[in-house]
Amino acid sequence: DTAVSQTPKYLVTQMGNDKSIKCEQNLGHDTMYWYKQDSKKFLKIMFSYNNKELIINETVPNRFSPKSPDKAHLNLHINSLELGDSAVYFCASSQAQGLAVDQFFGPGTRLTVL
Amino acid sequence: GNSVTQMEGPVTLSEEAFLTINCTYTATGYPSLFWYVQYPGEGLQLLLKATKADDKGSNKGFEATYRKETTSFHLEKGSVQVSDSAVYFCALFTNTGFQKLVFGTGTRLLVSP
Repeated sequence: DTAVSQTPKYLVTQMGNDKSIKCEQNLGHDTMYWYKQDSKKFLKIMFSYNNKELIINETVPNRFSPKSPDKAHLNLHINSLELGDSAVYFCASSQAQGLAVDQFFGPGTRLTVL
Repeated sequence: GNSVTQMEGPVTLSEEAFLTINCTYTATGYPSLFWYVQYPGEGLQLLLKATKADDKGSNKGFEATYRKETTSFHLEKGSVQVSDSAVYFCALFTNTGFQKLVFGTGTRLLVSP
């Protein structure tokens, strides 16, 4: 069983389009995250949700809108895609927030904007 | 602010060589420290962690010691294998301000037979 799953694995689209990436975790965790990894492998948090409530929004453009229909799902919708949005997006989850909490990552979605 | 600095890669080693990947951090408060590994085409996996000064995290032959005096968390392995080839990320988690993982830039390890 996959603990944290993401769909799609690859996404190729044109500039200006709107797209969504879905994430689901079956670990019973309360907290979910979205990270962006750029072409140089630099990884940075974008959003964090705890029990469907947004708790971190790291100065991400408002073209990016996360949605959490329930605590097992955290989807990422991106409007008006730009070339600079090309990256690998990782979803993650953890039991709760805290210093010793382990985060479990999904396999990533490689977004290419042409 | 909080940050993590890792040595630049790639680190290229022969099988059975000794590995060190340096990691230093800057943080307010008392962070927890982590090493994550990313194998080609996959997501990140937690490799080991330490939550307080002088703690040693270890897993799969890798180990790292939380050194508060030098603000370091260097990753070591006595004898690397080809299967260890991956990108290794050092990270910290702090409970001051926003609670979040802050990652280093990653170090690519290439092990040849």
